Amino acid sequence: DTAVSQTPKYLVTQMGNDKSIKCEQNLGHDTMYWYKQDSKKFLKIMFSYNNKELIINETVPNRFSPKSPDKAHLNLHINSLELGDSAVYFCASSQNRGGATNEKLFFGSGTQLSVL
Amino acid sequence: LAKTTQPISMDSYEGQEVNITCSHNNIATNDYITWYQQFPSQGPRFIIQGYKTKVTNEVASLFIPADRKSSTLSLPRVSLSDTAVYYCLVAVRNSGNTPLVFGKGTRLSVIA
Repeated sequence: DTAVSQTPKYLVTQMGNDKSIKCEQNLGHDTMYWYKQDSKKFLKIMFSYNNKELIINETVPNRFSPKSPDKAHLNLHINSLELGDSAVYFCASSQNRGGATNEKLFFGSGTQLSVL
Repeated sequence: LAKTTQPISMDSYEGQEVNITCSHNNIATNDYITWYQQFPSQGPRFIIQGYKTKVTNEVASLFIPADRKSSTLSLPRVSLSDTAVYYCLVAVRNSGNTPLVFGKGTRLSVIA
């Protein structure tokens, strides 16, 4: 029973298309995140939601829009995909709001997005 | 903002103890130090967390000197399955929110 699950695992698409990645956590956590891991393996936060409220919105193009229908789900919709969007996208969750330095993050297994 | 520095890669034979050191000279007074492990095609996994001195769990030990400007993750008797990237994370905060950037981590290769 996977704690943080995201779908799809692989996503191959053409430039200009719109796509979505879904994430669900069954840990009862209040906060969920989207991270992007590029080809250089840096993990950078994109968004964070606490109880359906957006609390972190990093410098991410407007083409990326997160949606949290409830605190167990955080989806990522991407419009007009570009070559530079190719990366692995990780969903994560944590028990608390985020900001406490002893926060522990639980990650999904990632979605490998390839834009052709 | 605290920045961490770790070796890019390390090699070890099976059965050896591996120590990975991370420097974080600008760590803030209230910051904890957290280590994550990432296998290929998987998300990072929490290993251990500490604030000072020594912390031990079933997976690893974490040694933190008194000045807290560095920390050492110790993996006892590594096996091939410990081959992974290990990230040292100290809060890199933006307006008090979650650590943002993990850095490149240390790629540990365990050899038979």
